[in-house]
Amino acid sequence: QQQVKQSPQSLIVQKGGISIINCAYENTAFDYFPWYQQFPGKGPALLIAIRPDVSEKKEGRFTISFNKSAKQFSLHIMDSQPGDSATYFCAAEETSGSRLTFGEGTQLTVNP
Amino acid sequence: NAGVTQTPKFQVLKTGQSMTLQCAQDMNHNSMYWYRQDPGMGLRLIYYSASEGTTDKGEVPNGYNVSRLNKREFSLRLESAAPSQTSVYFCASSYDRSSYEQYFGPGTRLTVT
Repeated sequence: QQQVKQSPQSLIVQKGGISIINCAYENTAFDYFPWYQQFPGKGPALLIAIRPDVSEKKEGRFTISFNKSAKQFSLHIMDSQPGDSATYFCAAEETSGSRLTFGEGTQLTVNP
Repeated sequence: NAGVTQTPKFQVLKTGQSMTLQCAQDMNHNSMYWYRQDPGMGLRLIYYSASEGTTDKGEVPNGYNVSRLNKREFSLRLESAAPSQTSVYFCASSYDRSSYEQYFGPGTRLTVT
C-alpha cells in the first residue's frame, strides 16, 4: 500500500512554462515533506522540503504548496528549463524519524 | 569528499547466485539506508541502520540481509538471487535518524536472469 500517492507519472512542459506535481498522503503522523530530484544515472538529491506548520516554501524557481487539511502537497517549478528535466519524488517522514516514504515518482521533460 | 559510494555499478546474476552490494560514506553520518527503485514504484526501503551496531527491516526486506560493518560501511547481501530482485539499488546516509536529509549514492543496476 502506497502511503504517499504522486501524480502525474509523467509530465511534458514547454520551456518557460509551469510544472506542477502533486502528492497526497494518509498518515497524519508525517511531519516533514521533502522533494527529491533525480537525473538519469544518478542518485536522488534533496531539492526542497517543508514542514506542516507553513503553507508554502519558495526557493528560487521551486515552490512547495502544502494543504494540511486536505493532506496534499505539491511542487511548482516556475519558468521550467530543459535542465529541469529529471524524475521528481515527493516523500514524507514521521515525527519519529529515520524512515522516508517516497511517492511513485514523476518523470518531467521540459522541451526547448 | 566522495560522499556516498557504491560498488559495483552494474551486475548481472543468474537465479540462485549470491552477491554483496557495498556502500561506504565519508561524511561521518550515523544512519545508513538501502533502497530499491523500480519503475512506477518509487524508492522502497529495504533495510536501514539508525546507528553503528543496529539494523532494522524496512518495507521490503525479504530475500536480503545487511551488515553494518562499521560507521562508514553498510553492505546488502542477496543470498539466492531471484528475477524479482532485478532493480536499481541505492544506498543513502544521513547524519542521524532525526536528520531528515538523506544523501544518496549513484546506485547499482542489478539484473537477475
